Amino acid sequence: GAVVSQHPSRVICKSGTSVKIECRSLDFQATTMFWYRQFPKKSLMLMATSNEGSKATYEQGVEKDKFLINHASLTLSTLTVTSAHPEDSSFYICSARGTDAAPEQFFGPGTRLTVL
Amino acid sequence: AQSVTQLGSHVSVSEGALVLLRCNYSSSVPPYLFWYVQYPNQGLQLLLKYTSAATLVKGINGFEAEFKKSETSFHLTKPSAHMSDAAEYFCAVRPWAGSYQLTFGKGTKLSVIP
Repeated sequence: GAVVSQHPSRVICKSGTSVKIECRSLDFQATTMFWYRQFPKKSLMLMATSNEGSKATYEQGVEKDKFLINHASLTLSTLTVTSAHPEDSSFYICSARGTDAAPEQFFGPGTRLTVL
Repeated sequence: AQSVTQLGSHVSVSEGALVLLRCNYSSSVPPYLFWYVQYPNQGLQLLLKYTSAATLVKGINGFEAEFKKSETSFHLTKPSAHMSDAAEYFCAVRPWAGSYQLTFGKGTKLSVIP
């Protein structure tokens, strides 16, 4: 149980285009989902916290107009990188919170974004 | 504010040797503590978690960790390293109540030498 999927696993796009990444909890309802960015050989940097049916809460320094997050249902959150630039190239990972009885986060497999 | 310190960004052990990855946390009250493993180009997989039920926590793949409040530590150990254990390991902390956010350490890359 507690499987989180991400799609796509890898995407290459041209500078200036937008890219959407999907995060799904497959076998549980995720009230809260998180989006992280991971630079090479670095730890995870929390970008935003997404609660179903409400606006995402962004961490300081993360541009909300550039990284659009939508959490329309209890099993799906999307991250859209708008007007992507090469510096947006990174590994993006989502996670989902289970119930209060299971305090850990369950992570997706990640999406490698390369902006040319 | 909570923080996590992982001592040693890179640890090398011989196959069959003891694995010890260190994690110290800073929190006003004992929090939830986690160890995650990440293989190249993959997401994070939960190894084990501390939720106050027991100070010695056993996880998957033969790993275990002991919560020591007096030392504010949650070190990860495995008696005998296997080649498949080579990966990046992250210690993380979360408060009991309030925020559900995880605070991660910087990670420790484990190399296993045959």
